[in-house]
Amino acid sequence: KAGVTQTPRYLIKTRGQQVTLSCSPISGHRSVSWYQQTPGQGLQFLFEYFSETQRNKGNFPGRFSGRQFSNSRSEMNVSTLELGDSALYLCASSLSGSTDTQYFGPGTRLTVL
Amino acid sequence: AQTVTQSQPEMSVQEAETVTLSCTYDTSENNYYLFWYKQPPSRQMILVIRQEAYKQQNATENRFSVNFQKAAKSFSLKISDSQLGDTAMYFCAFMNRNAGNMLTFGGGTRLMVKP
Repeated sequence: KAGVTQTPRYLIKTRGQQVTLSCSPISGHRSVSWYQQTPGQGLQFLFEYFSETQRNKGNFPGRFSGRQFSNSRSEMNVSTLELGDSALYLCASSLSGSTDTQYFGPGTRLTVL
Repeated sequence: AQTVTQSQPEMSVQEAETVTLSCTYDTSENNYYLFWYKQPPSRQMILVIRQEAYKQQNATENRFSVNFQKAAKSFSLKISDSQLGDTAMYFCAFMNRNAGNMLTFGGGTRLMVKP
């Protein structure tokens, strides 16, 4: 079974631009979670989607948003990029509920210049 | 809110030896899971082991085992017969079963296995 895939793997943007990252979960998984990883703040939870609905949200500004499609694929969008948004963005999928282990994708490395 | 603390930023071990990584957490919840994830230089986060809080028996996966002390809120990872491929960042993570699919991570321990 194929693992979690994320596209693109690397991205360079400039301040003020917006960006969309994509995540395809493991086949059959319906929950997708997003995390931001930076050297300063470590790994932080952004949000979780399940059945096309946002089920949980971390403490990030409204510039960070996401959505999930009927095939469970998810996208996250960051608008008005800031230098501090440079990070590795990790997506994780799980079967459904909070009893399930999350499996991570390889991440998207976003650099904001 | 939960917090997870890994007090050892870096550790090293000789190949074939045993090493223990520490993790403590703070929560008022009683229904939760704990995880160890490994992140090698490739940056892919890989699940190492998982522990359900309601289980008294410590989880084991091949060379990896945990020492789960619920009362002390401690969750250490023991790696036996260390291999060069174990070189990675190791993250301890907490999940409150009543709060959905959200992992709270510790700051990580960088483990170097030396030949």
